[in-house]
Amino acid sequence: GQQLNQSPQSMFIQEGEDVSMNCTSSSIFNTWLWYKQDPGEGPVLLIALYKAGELTSNGRLTAQFGITRKDSFLNISASIPSDVGIYFCAGQQYGNKLVFGAGTILRVKS
Amino acid sequence: DTEVTQTPKHLVMGMTNKKSLKCEQHMGHRAMYWYKQKAKKPPELMFVYSYEKLSINESVPSRFSPECPNSSLLNLHLHALQPEDSALYLCASAVDPTYEQYFGPGTRLTVT
Repeated sequence: GQQLNQSPQSMFIQEGEDVSMNCTSSSIFNTWLWYKQDPGEGPVLLIALYKAGELTSNGRLTAQFGITRKDSFLNISASIPSDVGIYFCAGQQYGNKLVFGAGTILRVKS
Repeated sequence: DTEVTQTPKHLVMGMTNKKSLKCEQHMGHRAMYWYKQKAKKPPELMFVYSYEKLSINESVPSRFSPECPNSSLLNLHLHALQPEDSALYLCASAVDPTYEQYFGPGTRLTVT
């Protein structure tokens, strides 16, 4: 089946650092979504992207829909402790089910 | 308001029990979903309801039985589960199947 390659698998952050993660696919998607999940909770939608080349911000978060429709990235600027969690990308072809990446685990450097 | 609610928050059941999970949304969404999620893995799709009709069953064992009584409610009936069915069960909804999905907080299910 379809798979999304999400990287990095995990990363440590220091407060104040910028963070980047991305997803790539061999298939074209019409929609790219980024979710954050805290332990024991459901995924929370951070950003939804609908057009190739689209760059969208939500506070300290910025995400882009790749021009080839096969990739997307998420940047977090000036990270804070509450940014820790698991971030999932998801792609969707028109009306079809979501295809998820394996997730990026964000941890705080102690 | 982008809230999907799920009850109960936690559920422990024996392998011979029958229980139900409930999901509710009042956003007027016409697509509703059940997912199963294991620790540190992405959600796995189980069922999709579109306009109150079951449109996708991802070859889920019959011990899981979904029901959509109306456009706001989604149930998942559980019977004769196995310990490996222990997981976080997530409900999601969307305006329709072409739009982004919003997830509920999940039900943590433990099968003993």
